[in-house]
Amino acid sequence: EIVLTQSPGTLSLSPGERATLSCRASQSVSSSSLGWYQQKPGQAPRLLIYGASSRATGIPDSFSGSGSGTDFTLTISRLEPEDFAVYYCQHFDSASVAFGGGTKVEIK
Amino acid sequence: EVQLVESGGDLVQPGGSLRLSCGASGFTFNNYAMTWVRQAPGKGLEWVSAISGSGGYTYYVDSVKGRFTISRDNSKNTLYLQMNSLRAEDTAVYYCAKNVATGIAFYHYWGQGTLVTVSS
Repeated sequence: EIVLTQSPGTLSLSPGERATLSCRASQSVSSSSLGWYQQKPGQAPRLLIYGASSRATGIPDSFSGSGSGTDFTLTISRLEPEDFAVYYCQHFDSASVAFGGGTKVEIK
Repeated sequence: EVQLVESGGDLVQPGGSLRLSCGASGFTFNNYAMTWVRQAPGKGLEWVSAISGSGGYTYYVDSVKGRFTISRDNSKNTLYLQMNSLRAEDTAVYYCAKNVATGIAFYHYWGQGTLVTVSS
């Protein structure tokens, strides 16, 4: 069973700053099975990145994903006010799905 | 336009049962695997269960195996989650989600969620 650990738990930044979020898998995983979601209060999650680095439809290019093996990163190049939210990484295999615990990006 | 609408959430006593439904529209329902994901109050996302497009394959997180049953009625474009022997720790908002494609468990469409509260 894959366990995903996200860090930091909370990231306090100002609009315009760069955000770097980490997701570490308990064992090596295929990049094609790693994704990232954004969730705002009271809303369902929104798919941002799939296959570790491909942006989902309608996602601005300020969001980028990278990584391989056990270490993956979501980068927001320049934070807009609407980007302050909770971010989750996710992995799937043939029989199960795992989410990380989330990173909250809050306004400093 | 893809739409997923959950219903059936309620307050139920420990040990009780509940059936959630998710009505789907805007896509060919039987072509896609579907998933239930839950979120306890103030907590993160937890994958609960998934079902293949035909309904022939089902998958569960260990904590609900033997208590929850996922099913679908492709003639009604509806996904279900039958929840039995409910526990306080099952309290959560339950989302249904549409898989991006067969064998690819990313979720680009989600419902608005339905709240299940297990309490005496």
